[in-house]
Amino acid sequence: EAAVTQSPRSKVAVTGGKVTLSCHQTNNHDYMYWYRQDTGHGLRLIHYSYVADSTEKGDIPDGYKASRPSQENFSLILELASLSQTAVYFCASRKGGLNYAEQFFGPGTRLTVL
Amino acid sequence: GDQVEQSPSALSLHEGTGSALRCNFTTTMRAVQWFQQNSRGSLINLFYLASGTKENGRLKSTFNSKESYSTLHIRDAQLEDSGTYFCAAERYGSSGNKLIFGIGTLLSVKP
Repeated sequence: EAAVTQSPRSKVAVTGGKVTLSCHQTNNHDYMYWYRQDTGHGLRLIHYSYVADSTEKGDIPDGYKASRPSQENFSLILELASLSQTAVYFCASRKGGLNYAEQFFGPGTRLTVL
Repeated sequence: GDQVEQSPSALSLHEGTGSALRCNFTTTMRAVQWFQQNSRGSLINLFYLASGTKENGRLKSTFNSKESYSTLHIRDAQLEDSGTYFCAAERYGSSGNKLIFGIGTLLSVKP
């Protein structure tokens, strides 16, 4: 069974502070993704990565950075957290090298920026 | 503009009954995934389809890329089926096999 874990599971941050969300997968997957979910909405893609040491911008990258130091780990960094970044953040992984493959999601991190 | 249009936004069913959820796509999609988001907020994979129909227990899903839609049928609904159901699709030509999500259908199953 695919395994994607996230830490922390919840966090309260202050406006202007730095926040790092971590994701770890044991699927041996090449692709990893960060999405955010706002209350009552679907998920939107922030950043993704095909391979270690490389990241790509998703649909809503402004205000976020990403880091992929290894195949297993993918971090999302908010250098200057803002109120509008309060959301639930999901990490996902997907097998690479295939045209068709499903994404597997972590349990999510609830971030509240005050 | 919106590329994944999901309906209905909310649905109430009595136990033992069934219904269908639908996603329409405004552009050509290569694959679709369906998820259930449970009360804890976790996303549970239900189906991944590049074409055709798949069935798993009381759930059945169809994806028609040519006609730009996908459906999720639930039959004999149970209380534990309550939650929010999302479809998400991969657009042809997009890099990274990114998923575009619908807004979800909030399903409430009542005794």
